[in-house]
Amino acid sequence: GDSVTQMEGPVTLSEEAFLTINCTYTATGYPSLFWYVQYPGEGLQLLLKATKADDKGSNKGFEATYRKETTSFHLEKGSVQVSDSAVYFCALRDLSNTGNQFYFGTGTSLTVIP
Amino acid sequence: DTEVTQTPKHLVMGMTNKKSLKCEQHMGHRAMYWYKQKAKKPPELMFVYSYEKLSINESVPSRFSPECPNSSLLNLHLHALQPEDSALYLCASSQGNREVSGANVLTFGAGSRLTVL
Repeated sequence: GDSVTQMEGPVTLSEEAFLTINCTYTATGYPSLFWYVQYPGEGLQLLLKATKADDKGSNKGFEATYRKETTSFHLEKGSVQVSDSAVYFCALRDLSNTGNQFYFGTGTSLTVIP
Repeated sequence: DTEVTQTPKHLVMGMTNKKSLKCEQHMGHRAMYWYKQKAKKPPELMFVYSYEKLSINESVPSRFSPECPNSSLLNLHLHALQPEDSALYLCASSQGNREVSGANVLTFGAGSRLTVL
């Protein structure tokens, strides 16, 4: 079946440090991949997406590349800010199945300290 | 309009009460979802409606009853809940089409925080 495995947290970084959050996936078909971010007290917001192999999604300085050969979609940012403190969820939707189901990783909590 | 609106934002109810959570979207999306999220956990899928028909029920207890009156509205009726049902309830929507080319993004509302006493 489809699933997402995400790096366990919590992660604590100093401002301007480099961020990587690992995400790997298992899918039976042709997944689209997503990173969502959840700030305290809010719902999930789409951060970036990629729909096919070698696509790079990017937004607000965050990037992730869809790597089919390693079934990965790692999230990176070159210089984090305090305002990036949030929980990050990797997700996939397998367009080859008949449902409208999205699969989420367990989430990685990021705290950025000044 | 690219929003999913949920009401109320906060709800406190007793175990014998009947209440409802409401969700509305005007993006023309044809799939709508209810998720339950506990603190520090990922959202857990409860129900999916596709084209106003219930397509997925993840073995949710009958004290939760979903309703999709039309393509823009989704309700979750609550009755005889337990304290362990206290959580953030998230509504979401997506295009609902099996398009290979689209991203078919899931758009979330801000959630309704439910406390069961």
